[in-house]
Parts: sequence; C-alpha cells; structure tokens
Amino acid sequence: DAGVTQSPTHLIKTRGQHVTLRCSPISGHKSVSWYQQVLGQGPQFIFQYYEKEERGRGNFPDRFSARQFPNYSSELNVNALLLGDSALYLCASSLQGEAPPYNEQFFGPGTRLTVL
Amino acid sequence: AQKITQTQPGMFVQEKEAVTLDCTYDTSDPSYGLFWYKQPSSGEMIFLIYQGSYDQQNATEGRYSLNFQKARKSANLVISASQLGDSAMYFCAMREGIGGGADGLTFGKGTHLIIQP
Repeated sequence: DAGVTQSPTHLIKTRGQHVTLRCSPISGHKSVSWYQQVLGQGPQFIFQYYEKEERGRGNFPDRFSARQFPNYSSELNVNALLLGDSALYLCASSLQGEAPPYNEQFFGPGTRLTVL
Repeated sequence: AQKITQTQPGMFVQEKEAVTLDCTYDTSDPSYGLFWYKQPSSGEMIFLIYQGSYDQQNATEGRYSLNFQKARKSANLVISASQLGDSAMYFCAMREGIGGGADGLTFGKGTHLIIQP
C-alpha cells in the first residue's frame, strides 16, 4: 500500500511569491495534518483537516492556509513568502481513531521549500 | 514554556550498546499521549512507539521501550542493542486532550544520535 505522498519534493521561490504544496494521505485515512520543520528544529504544527473541515490550527500567520478535498487529499498554500518560510513541510495522515488520545500520524517525505 | 524538552542535542554511542534518549514534558491535561519518532537524513518521520497517560505498563516495540515516569513527567526512549542504522534524529512529541487528533503533535527539538562501529 502506498504511504503518504507529497509533491513537489523540492521547490525554490523568491520573496513575495505564493506557493502550493500537495499531499495525498494513506488510503482510508480521513485526517491530514501539516507541519513546518525549520532546519535544526522539531516540526511545528500548522493545520489539521478532517472530513474537509479545519480541526486544528497552530500559531502561524494568515499567510498560511489549507484545504482538504473530497478525496481527502490536501493543499497547503503560503502567500507573500518570506525568507523565514524556508523549511521542510511535512504532511501526516491518520485514521482519526476513537481511542483518545492515540491517533498515530503517518508522515510523508516532505517538501523542501527554499525562499530566496 | 517548552512543552517538550529534549536536553541532549547530540549523542555518540558504540554499536550494540543500549542508549537512553531523554524527554520531559509539561501539561496540565490528565489525558495525553506521548510519541517518539525517528527522522533519518532523508527527512521522513518514522513512528517508533506510543505511551498513553493512562497506560499502566511501559510501552515496548521490539528494541524500543519507553521509560514512562508520570510523576516526573518523563518519557525516555530506550534503544537496546543499538545498530548503525539507528543513527538519526529522534523526536519526542505529545498530544493533549480527549479525542483523536483534534490538535496536532507538539515536538521537542530532537536528539541527534550517532552510532559508532
């Protein structure tokens, strides 16, 4: 079975531009979460979507937005890129299990964004 | 205040030795889950082990075990008989609250583990 897939693998943008990152969850998973991992740090939670609705949001500016499609894939959009947005963007999918609070997240390989 | 603290930025360990990676956490929620992930240089996060706040037993998964000391808010990862392939970044993470996945994981800054032959 295919794992979580993300595209593109790498991306180079300039300041002020807009970027769209894509994620396809594991088949059967209805929840997608996005994380930003700056070099040398742990991932930071950006968004979680479940059944096409936003279920959680981290401490990120409004330049960051996301959406989930009927097939549960997701897009992360970042407007007005800043140098500090350079990072590895990780997508994770999960079943949204009923046993709280366990809900294992399976991560994709990430998209490495460089802002020049 | 940091919710997840990993005090060892880097560790060097001889192959076949056991290694303990430290993690302390901070929460006032009685219901939470603790996770350990491995991140090789390729970047993908690999789930290793999970411990729930109400679990009575320490979690074990193959060579991985979690030394859960609730009163001390400590959740150290123990890797027995380390292998060269264990060299990677290791992250401790926590989810708080009831309900699966309502909020994202909070990660520590990680420990860079290097296994030497």
